[in-house]
Amino acid sequence: AQSVAQPEDQVNVAEGNPLTVKCTYSVSGNPYLFWYVQYPNRGLQFLLKYITGDNLVKGSYGFEAEFNKSQTSFHLKKPSALVSDSALYFCAVRPAMNSGGSNYKLTFGKGTLLTVNP
Amino acid sequence: KAGVTQTPRYLIKTRGQQVTLSCSPISGHRSVSWYQQTPGQGLQFLFEYFSETQRNKGNFPGRFSGRQFSNSRSEMNVSTLELGDSALYLCASSLTSDRAYEQYFGPGTRLTVT
Repeated sequence: AQSVAQPEDQVNVAEGNPLTVKCTYSVSGNPYLFWYVQYPNRGLQFLLKYITGDNLVKGSYGFEAEFNKSQTSFHLKKPSALVSDSALYFCAVRPAMNSGGSNYKLTFGKGTLLTVNP
Repeated sequence: KAGVTQTPRYLIKTRGQQVTLSCSPISGHRSVSWYQQTPGQGLQFLFEYFSETQRNKGNFPGRFSGRQFSNSRSEMNVSTLELGDSALYLCASSLTSDRAYEQYFGPGTRLTVT
């Protein structure tokens, strides 16, 4: 079965500084990887995804993520954080190929609470 | 284009009762998935529907069920409610069931069981 680990429950950065939210995954075969953001009392919003191709993926609101197959990681980054980036961030994975069973589903990490201080 | 809508937004039920939650996907989207979100367990997959057929199911008891209609709208039902069913229930739609497509989430239904 696939899994996602977000090792930091909380990340604090100062406005204007670069931010990184970490994600590692485990899946059979090649992965499809996603980042979502959740603001208070809201559903999840899609930020970006890695399907294939260039390891550096650019997404919404200036976010990007780097796929590293050898380290099974997909860290989310932004060069300059904004106070409005403060939210809960989720990494998710699903296998690219069906190897049977329930691993077709999208599996989420526990989430990382990002706080950007003014 | 309108986003995913879920009704009702908030619900309070008593143990033993049953509840039905509704989800309308983005126009043109044919795949609908349901998730349960709690502080302790995070986001857990319930089931996915595509073209009125359940394509995948998570590890939840049979009290949790769902269906999808011909217009892609979906409902989920929880029977014999337990206190532990209190959660935010999120619906997500996708263009197809192709796993490369991202899912778009609704605002959720906050269910409180007393």
